[in-house]
This record gives sequence, structure tokens and C-alpha cells, in this order.
Amino acid sequence: KQEVTQIPAALSVPEGENLVLNCSFTDSAIYNLQWFRQDPGKGLTSLLLIQSSQREQTSGRLNASLDKSSGRSTLYIAASQPGDSATYLCAALMDSSYKLIFGSGTRLLVRP
Amino acid sequence: GAVVSQHPSWVICKSGTSVKIECRSLDFQATTMFWYRQFPKQSLMLMATSNEGSKATYEQGVEKDKFLINHASLTLSTLTVTSAHPEDSSFYICSARDGLAGGYEQYFGPGTRLTVT
Repeated sequence: KQEVTQIPAALSVPEGENLVLNCSFTDSAIYNLQWFRQDPGKGLTSLLLIQSSQREQTSGRLNASLDKSSGRSTLYIAASQPGDSATYLCAALMDSSYKLIFGSGTRLLVRP
Repeated sequence: GAVVSQHPSWVICKSGTSVKIECRSLDFQATTMFWYRQFPKQSLMLMATSNEGSKATYEQGVEKDKFLINHASLTLSTLTVTSAHPEDSSFYICSARDGLAGGYEQYFGPGTRLTVT
């Protein structure tokens, strides 16, 4: 059974800092891995999707990497801003069932 | 493109009543839709997968008689919480897969906050 873990559970940083969010998964048979942002009481916003054959994806100040063999993905946020404050979720799409398995999330607070 | 809506965005109901939540794909045909539940400060848990015109497939531990799912058209799926109880209070999110575009990406709705009093 796939388990997706995110570390840390919560993170508070001053504005301008570069930061890394970690995601690990136990079953490497994934089709892709996706990072989402969720604001309080809101739905999900897709940030980056990495196919299993890819190593990384970039969008603006965000960079996500995937190491399928070690079961790890990281989300790098450069020059963090208060507007980046949200919960970040990673989710692995399973090869066998095409179901998304979510991590528990990292709650990020960027202090002005 | 690939917009998914949910209605209502929030609902309050009394214990013992039933409530229906709608999930619509606005600009694509959703051959497969998914329903998730999210408790406060927890992650999303898949409840069930529905394919248009077929019965939904429920995840282990989800009561199919309590959470009725209907996916009668390519743009609409509904989740009905029957005989709701306070422990059913949660954030319900649907997602949809574009069957014609291929691939397996899911597009998420904005969620529905259910409070049972």
C-alpha cells in the first residue's frame, strides 16, 4: 500500500528565504507526482506535475524534482513571499490503479 | 480550460437529513470523477471513483449506502450524504479526468464544506 509522507508538517520562514519541502513515497511504481497548493478553506491549485520519466519541472519561482528510485520529491521555492503562505500537498498517481495518493501536507507561513 | 465546479460551496444540515453535492465539469467531458474527503488539518482521502454510466467503486471503509454517488452524464456527478451525522462534517472535494484528452491528470473542484448539526 502506497504511503506518501511530507516533511516538515509546518514551516515558518522570513520573507525572501529559499526553502525546500520534502515528499517521500514508499511504492516507486508511480505514473506521475504532483504538487498542489491549498489555501485555508479552499480547493486545490495544481502547481507542478512531474511524469515518472522526468527528473524535474519548473514554473516561475517553483522547482520540483523527482527521484523515483529513492521514492523522493522536493519542491523548491525561491525568494519566498507572504503570498506563498498556504498548505502544500504532494500526491502520487499510482501506476496500477491511476489513483492519487496524497501526503499529509506542509503548512507554510512566510513572515513579512 | 479544464474547470470543475461544485455546488453548494458550503451547506449546513441537521442530523438525520440527507444532503446532495454536485460536481460539474464545465468545459470537458469527464469520463471519470473522484470524490475525496478532507478533515481539518488532514490530507485528502479518496472515497470513491465513478465512471459515467457505471456504479461507483468505493474505497475500503467507505459506506456505499451512506455516500451515494451518481455519475449519470459526462459532465455531472453527485454525492448524496444520507442520514448525515456530525461526524460526517468535513470538506468534500471532487475531481474529474478528461476522458477525451487522454492522460490521467485530475482537475479539482473548489470543494464543499458540510457541517452537520
